[in-house]
Formats: sequence, C-alpha cells, structure tokens
Amino acid sequence: RKEVEQDPGPFNVPEGATVAFNCTYSNSASQSFFWYRQDCRKEPKLLMSVYSSGNEDGRFTAQLNRASQYISLLIRDSKLSDSATYLCVVIDSWGKLQFGAGTQVVVTP
Amino acid sequence: DAGVTQSPTHLIKTRGQQVTLRCSPKSGHDTVSWYQQALGQGPQFIFQYYEEEERQRGNFPDRFSGHQFPNYSSELNVNALLLGDSALYLCASSFDRGEGYTFGSGTRLTVV
Repeated sequence: RKEVEQDPGPFNVPEGATVAFNCTYSNSASQSFFWYRQDCRKEPKLLMSVYSSGNEDGRFTAQLNRASQYISLLIRDSKLSDSATYLCVVIDSWGKLQFGAGTQVVVTP
Repeated sequence: DAGVTQSPTHLIKTRGQQVTLRCSPKSGHDTVSWYQQALGQGPQFIFQYYEEEERQRGNFPDRFSGHQFPNYSSELNVNALLLGDSALYLCASSFDRGEGYTFGSGTRLTVV
C-alpha cells in the first residue's frame, strides 16, 4: 500500500463550479500536511498547509481528519488557471516529504 | 534572493553511463532532499542531506548516491543508467527539518 494515495482524476470542472478531492495517508505518526500544485513539466509549488482545524486561503479550503487519516482540498469558483495537478504531501517526523501521485484538475470554459 | 538552482536543466545519456546532477539550495537553507518524478507519478524521495551526511534514504538502489558540500550545495550521482531512470529529478531545500521546502525547477534526464 502506498503511504499517500490520491484519486488521479482527471476531474473535469466547469468554470465557476466547485471541486473537491481527498488524499489518504497510512502513517498515523505523520506530522504535517500540505497541498502542492504542479503545472505540466514544472516543479511543485506550495499551495497551502493543512491544519487540523481546517484552513482557507481565498477560494481554497483544506481540511485534515486525523482519525480517518485523510486530507481534503476544495476549490470554489474554479478558474481556468486552476487547471493543474494537485499533490498531497505528508511530512514524517524526520522531515521527509511523502507525495501522492497527484490529482489532475481540468477547468473547462 | 535566489531560490533553489538546479543544473543542468535537460540531459540525455546513454544506458550504462553515469550522470551527476547539481543543486544549490535557497539562501539560508542547510538541508537538501532529492526526488525522482517519473511521468504521471508523484515525486519519489531518493535521499536527504544535512550537515554533509545522508540523513535519510528512500527505496532506491545503491546506483543512486549523493554528496553535500560545506556550502550546502549537493550532487546526485547515478551510475549504470537504465532506461527506467528517465525522469524529472527535483531538488528541494529547507532549513533543518523545517517545513519551508523550496523546490528547484528540476533536471529532466532522458536515458536512451
């Protein structure tokens, strides 16, 4: 079983709609959680951290459920520029980043 | 303030050859991690260097080795290249085990 698992998608989303997807992790001792965004053939870039209380950054909302070991990302009012692959990242106690394979989101006009 | 710099950006090598990739961390960062990202996959952890020593290693064979220099820059060496080593190699730097990871733009290695 992979340490971090994501639905690969693609999620085809009409512009202006809302899309949400999850990520599950297997190591209950994981310390920190993030969502990264990766555009085609580019490096991953930090989108947002994920806190137990849930956090919001503009149109993006991230949630963490430690009991069920999953993380979610919700994008409201999708823009064409939101089209990308979203990588779920879990950090272990040694500071090692564990990536999921990514969820592809395609926002259509 | 320069971010993470990787060189070269692209590289084509023949099966069986050896390759060295280089990474200069972001100013103020002392920890360098290397990742391999195959097409359609998420980045896979290769190893992490801190204080010039390999601190952690992922599930990669001994053909993959690395080094960190006193100025915190790092090299990734891959010996006896296989076709399956073709991938984007990413370097990420951070301060010790801090959470502020910054990625370089990667080296795209093609093995033919």
